[in-house]
Order: sequence, then structure tokens, then C-alpha cells
Amino acid sequence: AQSVSQHNHHVILSEAASLELGCNYSYGGTVNLFWYVQYPGQHLQLLLKYFSGDPLVKGIKGFEAEFIKSKFSFNLRKPSVQWSDTAEYFCAVNANSGGSNYKLTFGKGTLLTVNP
Amino acid sequence: EPEVTQTPSHQVTQMGQEVILRCVPISNHLYFYWYRQILGQKVEFLVSFYNNEISEKSEIFDDQFSVERPDGSNFTLKIRSTKLEDSAMYFCASSEQGIDYSPLHFGNGTRLTVT
Repeated sequence: AQSVSQHNHHVILSEAASLELGCNYSYGGTVNLFWYVQYPGQHLQLLLKYFSGDPLVKGIKGFEAEFIKSKFSFNLRKPSVQWSDTAEYFCAVNANSGGSNYKLTFGKGTLLTVNP
Repeated sequence: EPEVTQTPSHQVTQMGQEVILRCVPISNHLYFYWYRQILGQKVEFLVSFYNNEISEKSEIFDDQFSVERPDGSNFTLKIRSTKLEDSAMYFCASSEQGIDYSPLHFGNGTRLTVT
């Protein structure tokens, strides 16, 4: 079964600082990878996704993530954060095994606090 | 932008009572899901539903849980006899196609508190 690890529980940054949130997954096969964001009081929203192709994917609001297959990682990055990026960030994986196409496995989430 | 809507936003119930959580998925979506998040823990998959039947369920989704699409727009999660450990935020989601091809769109969640 697949699992997802997010290394940082809570990250605190000042505005304009660079961000990198770690995500590692365990699954030996082909995967689809996602980052979701949950702003305070709102629903989970898709930031970006990787299905295939270029391992560097760009998402909304200036976020990007790089899939490194050899490291089983899909880290989220943003060069310069803003106060409005304060939210909880979830990495998720779907095992593209041809069998289970219905289940997303989530990490525990990383709470990002950006101080103005 | 179309949204997944969930009602109620907060439900308080006594242990042993039945609860029904309601969701209206995005209208042209074909796949429907329930996830839950116990406070401080991961978002966990409960069940997926496609073509009027359950396509996959987790070990959490035992006989106390059921899902239904009673009409063309609603998708419900029923817990027959709630336990204290069912207290969690329950998220409904829908997708146009399977996860391989299209991402999930989530609702705002229903916070279920079992006392």
C-alpha cells in the first residue's frame, strides 16, 4: 500500500522568503502526485498535479513541484511567499497501477504560517 | 467556478444515533468520494462511487457506513450508529473522470461531533 510522508508539521516564514515543503511517498509503481492547499475556513483546493511528462510542474499562485523518481519525492516550492500563502498544504499520491484508480493517499499536511 | 457543496457544516449527534451527511457534487462529474480527517491526523480515504455503485472502500468503511446517490444531484454518507471515534471532518469530493485523468474537487467539509 502506498504512504505519504510530509516532513514538516509547521513551517513559519517571513514574507518574501523562499519555501520548500518536503513530500516523500512509498510505492514502487507508477504514481500520480498532487499538492492540495487548504486556506483557513476553506475547502481543499488543487495547487498542482503530476501525471507524466516534465517532472517539474507549475501550479497556481507561483507554486511549483519537482518529481524526483529516484528519491520518491515531490517537493513543493515557491521562490517568494506572501502572507496570503498562509494555509495547510497536503501532498497526495494515487497509485496508477491500473487497479486502484479511485483512492488518494494523503500526507499529514504542513501548516505554513507567513508573517508579514 | 462550480463547487462541491456539503451540508450541514457542523453536525452534533449523540453516540448511537444515525447521521446523514449530504453533498452535491459538481454537475458533470461522474466519480464521487468521501474522505475524513480526524483532528490532528491525515485526510483518509473512505469510499469512492461510480456508476451507482461503490468502486473502492477502505477498511474504515465498515458496515456502519453506507453511501447513496438518491437522485441526480445528491451524494450522501450515512453512519448508522455513531461512535465517539467517528468525530471528524468529513469531506466529499467529485471528479469528472478517474483520478488518473482528472483531479478531485473537494467540498468545505462537515464537522461531525459525536458526544
